[in-house]
Amino acid sequence: RKEVEQDPGPFNVPEGATVAFNCTYSNSASQSFFWYRQDCRKEPKLLMSVYSSGNEDGRFTAQLNRASQYISLLIRDSKLSDSATYLCVVTSGTYKYIFGTGTRLKVLA
Amino acid sequence: GAGVSQSPRYKVAKRGQDVALRCDPISGHVSLFWYQQALGQGPEFLTYFQNEAQLDKSGLPSDRFFAERPEGSVSTLKIQRTQQEDSAVYLCASSLGLAGGPYEQYFGPGTRLTVT
Repeated sequence: RKEVEQDPGPFNVPEGATVAFNCTYSNSASQSFFWYRQDCRKEPKLLMSVYSSGNEDGRFTAQLNRASQYISLLIRDSKLSDSATYLCVVTSGTYKYIFGTGTRLKVLA
Repeated sequence: GAGVSQSPRYKVAKRGQDVALRCDPISGHVSLFWYQQALGQGPEFLTYFQNEAQLDKSGLPSDRFFAERPEGSVSTLKIQRTQQEDSAVYLCASSLGLAGGPYEQYFGPGTRLTVT
């Protein structure tokens, strides 16, 4: 079983839709969680950190459920420019990032 | 300011050749990471440096892979006797790496290696 699992998608949604991605992790000792965005043939870039209390940044909301060991990302009012791969990151220790395979999102006009 | 840079951006190697991939981290970043990203997969951890010290090389897939960061800034990932399964994008990332991490990692554009 992979340490971090994501549905690879693709998720094809119309503009304006709300879409949610989940990510599960196996290491209950993990302390930090992130969502990174990766555009085609580009490097990953931090979208947002994920906190236990949940956090929101504009149209994006991230949540952490430690008991069930999953994190989620909600995107409201999807834009064409949101089309990308969304990578879930779980840390192991104080420095190591463990990435999921990524979930592909395509927002359709 | 300048981000993480990597060179070359693309490298084609014949099977059995040695390659060297370079990473220039963000100035002042203590931590440096190398990842391997295969098509359709997330990046996989290869190795970690804190300044010039290689503290973790648990992700290096074989002894053909070697990384160094001799002066605590620029790093080189070397792959000897390349094999087809080494074809991937090699990403470098750096972070402030002060006590109390983990910190946001900033990624370079990657080197796309194709072994023919």
